[in-house]
Amino acid sequence: QVQLQESGPGQVKPSETLSLTCSVSGYSISGGYYWGWIRQPPGEGLEWIASVYHSGATFYNPSLKSRVTISVDTTKNQFSLKLTSVTAADTAMYYCARQMAISDPWGLGTLVIVSS
Amino acid sequence: AIQLTQSPSSLSASVGDSVTITCRASQDITTSLAWYQQTPGKPPKVLIYDASIVNGGVPSRFSGSGSGTDFTLTISGLQPEDFATYYCQQFHTYPSITFGQGTRLDIK
Repeated sequence: QVQLQESGPGQVKPSETLSLTCSVSGYSISGGYYWGWIRQPPGEGLEWIASVYHSGATFYNPSLKSRVTISVDTTKNQFSLKLTSVTAADTAMYYCARQMAISDPWGLGTLVIVSS
Repeated sequence: AIQLTQSPSSLSASVGDSVTITCRASQDITTSLAWYQQTPGKPPKVLIYDASIVNGGVPSRFSGSGSGTDFTLTISGLQPEDFATYYCQQFHTYPSITFGQGTRLDIK
């Protein structure tokens, strides 16, 4: 079955860049659908960040667009997220997910803490 | 951007009760709405999509209804594993999506 797994540093310093990768298995990213990142601050709700198609087409949450880049590497069957100039407000569980209108499946998530 | 407002933000109920959660969209999204269940430490799981279609493997006690701007998720006959947080999500503007703020369902 389709599985997604997030990877990246668990801690990032304020003002630096957060970089995460989502590895997909059981399905080729080139097969279609959008692939996205969603985050959840501790004890709070879900926030969509960005989505990418295998062609490289991208969509961003307007509230984060100036700081976010999402990209795809079909050769590695991965997609990635970069978030610049992070602050404590960016501390969250970051999930990657396949987006078929609904988001399914999801990775288990990776907790990123912004702290010096 | 389309905003989704869930109510209530939290509620308490007992095993066997029936509960209803409401999701209101800031503009007409036809039936482009999904409901998710999230338990602590886990990613969300799709329960309902297209407002009323129950996802495979989801118990029949879960049902969804609505169209346009007003939607409901009903759980009939709560089971212990149903105590969780529920989110609505619109995909009318797919792949740009938005979530409601969540409804926490606790055991009374």
